[in-house]
Amino acid sequence: DADVTQTPRNRITKTGKRIMLECSQTKGHDRMYWYRQDPGLGLQLIYYSFDVKDINKGEISDGYSVSRQAQAKFSLSLESAIPNQTALYFCATSDFTGAGTGELFFGEGSRLTVL
Amino acid sequence: QKEVEQDPGPLSVPEGAIVSLNCTYSNSAFQYFMWYRQYSRKGPELLMYTYSSGNKEDGRFTAQVDKSSKYISLFIRDSQPSDSATYLCAPAHSGGGADGLTFGKGTHLIIQP
Repeated sequence: DADVTQTPRNRITKTGKRIMLECSQTKGHDRMYWYRQDPGLGLQLIYYSFDVKDINKGEISDGYSVSRQAQAKFSLSLESAIPNQTALYFCATSDFTGAGTGELFFGEGSRLTVL
Repeated sequence: QKEVEQDPGPLSVPEGAIVSLNCTYSNSAFQYFMWYRQYSRKGPELLMYTYSSGNKEDGRFTAQVDKSSKYISLFIRDSQPSDSATYLCAPAHSGGGADGLTFGKGTHLIIQP
């Protein structure tokens, strides 16, 4: 089984619908992240969490919300989906300990299409 | 000006060629320099990282950082079709936590058999 699991892997929805993307990890890392990837724009950070009680906005948080239900689970919600939220979404975890650099471990992505 | 600039490609080279992938950046606070590799329909994975200026070699891969010119390079020797992927440079602020990472757009590399 994958260390970082995202569900669903693919989702097509309509404008105005509420969507939740879920992420679970077995790596035991405290830090979890949600990124969005668009062709020509690269990876953009939406939200990140250092632990269950510490959630922070990234560079493109408008229109998104998150929930850290447990150390291993981090969900991303689109309260009212719009077409320009069509993208590939990645969850990631990090083993950063405050020294050196923390490697990001990514899930396989959730492709969301908003019609 | 974007913090990290990277040519998206595609860059197509024949098998066995030496590949040079490059990024420029504008933030002099970047201290850690990562390269992630992303295969089609997969999440990125860390390939290499260096701290501050200098070179780092790992097998066929060499990462090079020139902080004076804010220029980051990844060289691939004896390129293989399995190296075909998108390569993302990702410099980070001191401390290196992923919240301090800035990803380049990625260069799509194609190695022709």
